[in-house]
Amino acid sequence: GENVEQHPSTLSVQEGDSAVIKCTYSDSASNYFPWYKQELGKRPQLIIDIRSNVGEKKDQRIAVTLNKTAKHFSLHITETQPEDSAVYFCAASIRTGTASKLTFGTGTRLQVTL
Amino acid sequence: DTGVSQNPRHKITKRGQNVTFRCDPISEHNRLYWYRQTLGQGPEFLTYFQNEAQLEKSRLLSDRFSAERPKGSFSTLEIQRTEQGDSAMYLCASSKTGVNTIYFGEGSWLTVV
Repeated sequence: GENVEQHPSTLSVQEGDSAVIKCTYSDSASNYFPWYKQELGKRPQLIIDIRSNVGEKKDQRIAVTLNKTAKHFSLHITETQPEDSAVYFCAASIRTGTASKLTFGTGTRLQVTL
Repeated sequence: DTGVSQNPRHKITKRGQNVTFRCDPISEHNRLYWYRQTLGQGPEFLTYFQNEAQLEKSRLLSDRFSAERPKGSFSTLEIQRTEQGDSAMYLCASSKTGVNTIYFGEGSWLTVV
């Protein structure tokens, strides 16, 4: 089955700096890669996603890049703010006719300091 | 709130007892998923429904676990003879056919003492 690895496990940046979180996946058939943000005790919330036919996607301060050849994808957050502090999870899925279950990474705890 | 709804939000039970969690997906979402999340880990897939049909089950779903979605709307996840290792947050999620985006509920925290 799919295996997703995520690094780093913790990341501390100063407000205004950029943060980068990296993930690798094992199954070349994976074609959908979402990123979720989870605050303490809250639900995972989708912040951005990318499909395998796209190399990069941007939404305001958040961007995701995908390298299918190397089987890795990254989350970039620019101009970080204290409210960006949370745990971020990458995920991968193989979209089939009936299922699109997600395999998650182990998470990155992002701390944005003042 | 038209999001995915789960209850109870918290459950403390003694080892050996049975527990049941309920999930109400976003209306018109025909796909429903159950995931389990332990502290410091990402959610792990447990099982998945397309309408009322349970189409896939993870190896994590032992014989003590059973999930149903009898009318293709809400779903229940029952854990029989709970063990301390079952302590986790059980997340329900839903999506529409043909759409990748999966929306999660707030989760049901289970503590087995």
